[in-house]
Amino acid sequence: RKEVEQDPGPFNVPEGATVAFNCTYSNSASQSFFWYRQDCRKEPKLLMSVYSSGNEDGRFTAQLNRASQYISLLIRDSKLSDSATYLCVVFSGNTPLVFGKGTRLSVIA
Amino acid sequence: GAGVSQSPSNKVTEKGKDVELRCDPISGHTALYWYRQSLGQGLEFLIYFQGNSAPDKSGLPSDRFSAERTGGSVSTLTIQRTQQEDSAVYLCASSLLGISYEQYFGPGTRLTVT
Repeated sequence: RKEVEQDPGPFNVPEGATVAFNCTYSNSASQSFFWYRQDCRKEPKLLMSVYSSGNEDGRFTAQLNRASQYISLLIRDSKLSDSATYLCVVFSGNTPLVFGKGTRLSVIA
Repeated sequence: GAGVSQSPSNKVTEKGKDVELRCDPISGHTALYWYRQSLGQGLEFLIYFQGNSAPDKSGLPSDRFSAERTGGSVSTLTIQRTQQEDSAVYLCASSLLGISYEQYFGPGTRLTVT
């Protein structure tokens, strides 16, 4: 099993839709979790950290399920500008961050 | 303020040549990372510098790859005797403290080995 796995997509959704991505991780000792966003031919940028209790930032909600070892990202009211690749990132302590390959989202007018 | 900068933005080189890629991290950031990203692939960790500690070189794919960080700031990634499979975007990132903190990425250097 890969350390961090994501559905590569693409997810093609209409504007205004709600879309959710999951990411599974294999190391049960993983400590910190993040979602990064990467636009086409650009560098990744932090979207949000993922906290144990779940957290929300505007239209974006991140959840962590330690028992099942997955994190999720929910985007409500999708905008055209949300089109990007979303990278799941896991930190397991004293090891480099592990990046998933990303899930590609296309929001269509 | 200024973000992470990298140079050159693009580099085309012939197979067998050596290349040097440069990264200027955000001022005051103690941690610096190098990654590479091949087309359609995820980020592959290469090397990590944290303060004055010995770097974590566990991600370097071969002994043709090396990196330095001088004075705790600027870093140079060197690839000797480049091969076509080295073609990728090389991304540098820095973070304020350790490895669990938010990483800020530079725009990358697109390396093409012909």
